[in-house]
Amino acid sequence: DAGVIQSPRHEVTEMGQEVTLRCKPISGHNSLFWYRQTMMRGLELLIYFNNNVPIDDSGMPEDRFSAKMPNASFSTLKIQPSEPRDSAVYFCASSRGLNGANVLTFGAGSRLTVL
Amino acid sequence: AQSVTQPDIHITVSEGASLELRCNYSYGATPYLFWYVQSPGQGLQLLLKYFSGDTLVQGIKGFEAEFKRSQSSFNLRKPSVHWSDAAEYFCAVGSGGGADGLTFGKGTHLIIQP
Repeated sequence: DAGVIQSPRHEVTEMGQEVTLRCKPISGHNSLFWYRQTMMRGLELLIYFNNNVPIDDSGMPEDRFSAKMPNASFSTLKIQPSEPRDSAVYFCASSRGLNGANVLTFGAGSRLTVL
Repeated sequence: AQSVTQPDIHITVSEGASLELRCNYSYGATPYLFWYVQSPGQGLQLLLKYFSGDTLVQGIKGFEAEFKRSQSSFNLRKPSVHWSDAAEYFCAVGSGGGADGLTFGKGTHLIIQP
């Protein structure tokens, strides 16, 4: 199993530009999570999906952030327009279900720098 | 709402010495508890988990953790650390009801001295 695959690994962009982060979950996992990691706030859950349906997006910081999961093997997190305070590492994780006992498998992360 | 506290931001340990990383949680029922490790530039990897049963759980890389309900704690231990254990360690709690992922602590940065 290739694990959770995220791209790009690193992105440097200028303020105001659109950023799209991509995630391919583990095959057979029906739950997908987007986290953001910063020094100040640690790991924050942004949004999660179950069976491709967004369940809770209350962690999405602003309307500039949006996420989609068009099928079971692909999800995107989009920031438009981007701002310097969006600089962070964004992690995608997947699991077999939404029960709190389900183990999350994380991708390697996408490090975003907004200048 | 559940919460996790890792009181130590940084810990420095000599190679070969024992290690204990602290984790306290807040949750109304029996929690699902996890320890993850994050090496530099990498994602989080599961070290071990507690769901029920024996309160001392064994994980990968020689780590263990003990669930103490009376203290609301789930401390991570290792009898002898190796330089490769230098990383960020996260404690997390999951709710039994489901649908809200995990709540993570802020992490403890482990530094290994030669």
